[in-house]
Amino acid sequence: KNQVEQSPQSLIILEGKNCTLQCNYTVSPFSNLRWYKQDTGRGPVSLTIMTFSENTKSNGRYTATLDADTKQSSLHITASQLSDSASYICVVSAVAGSYQLTFGKGTKLSVIP
Amino acid sequence: GAGVSQSPRYKVTKRGQDVALRCDPISGHVSLYWYRQALGQGPEFLTYFNYEAQQDKSGLPNDRFSAERPEGSISTLTIQRTEQRDSAMYRCASSQYGTSGGANEQFFGPGTRLTVL
Repeated sequence: KNQVEQSPQSLIILEGKNCTLQCNYTVSPFSNLRWYKQDTGRGPVSLTIMTFSENTKSNGRYTATLDADTKQSSLHITASQLSDSASYICVVSAVAGSYQLTFGKGTKLSVIP
Repeated sequence: GAGVSQSPRYKVTKRGQDVALRCDPISGHVSLYWYRQALGQGPEFLTYFNYEAQQDKSGLPNDRFSAERPEGSISTLTIQRTEQRDSAMYRCASSQYGTSGGANEQFFGPGTRLTVL
């Protein structure tokens, strides 16, 4: 069964600090992996997408890494801001263009002043 | 540019009543998806459309759930004879190109929080 596991479940950090969120998956075959940011009361918004051949991708202060051999991904947030407080969801697609995505449960990040 | 919108944002209903949840996808998007999200869980696929055609409804839990997209734009998810276990966040998403290939990002709406008493 395809699964996506995220850790930690929740995280509290001080404003300005860095943090790293983890995602392990067992989805096969693998096509791509996305990290979504979901603000409270809003729908998820895509931050990055990574395919099999990509090891790292950045989007501003967000940097995602992918190790397709170990089936692990991480999302690193640099110099956190209060607005980074949200749930971060790892989503894996088994087939290119597939509508059936496997979602992780998310990591709830709280950035405090 | 408007994103995916859903209405109502919140719906409280009594057990046994029918409810209709609406989704307005991003204009021009080919595919539209419905998901159900329980608290603390990731979204669970229900059904999806390419244009007006319902391509896969395998995720619908039972025959009380149905969806339509008659003109290939707005979609309605209908739950008949609601039960307490139907309480959840119902999310809609749309994507530009359909499911034939590519990264095909899905853009999510804010969801409708359904509570069945």
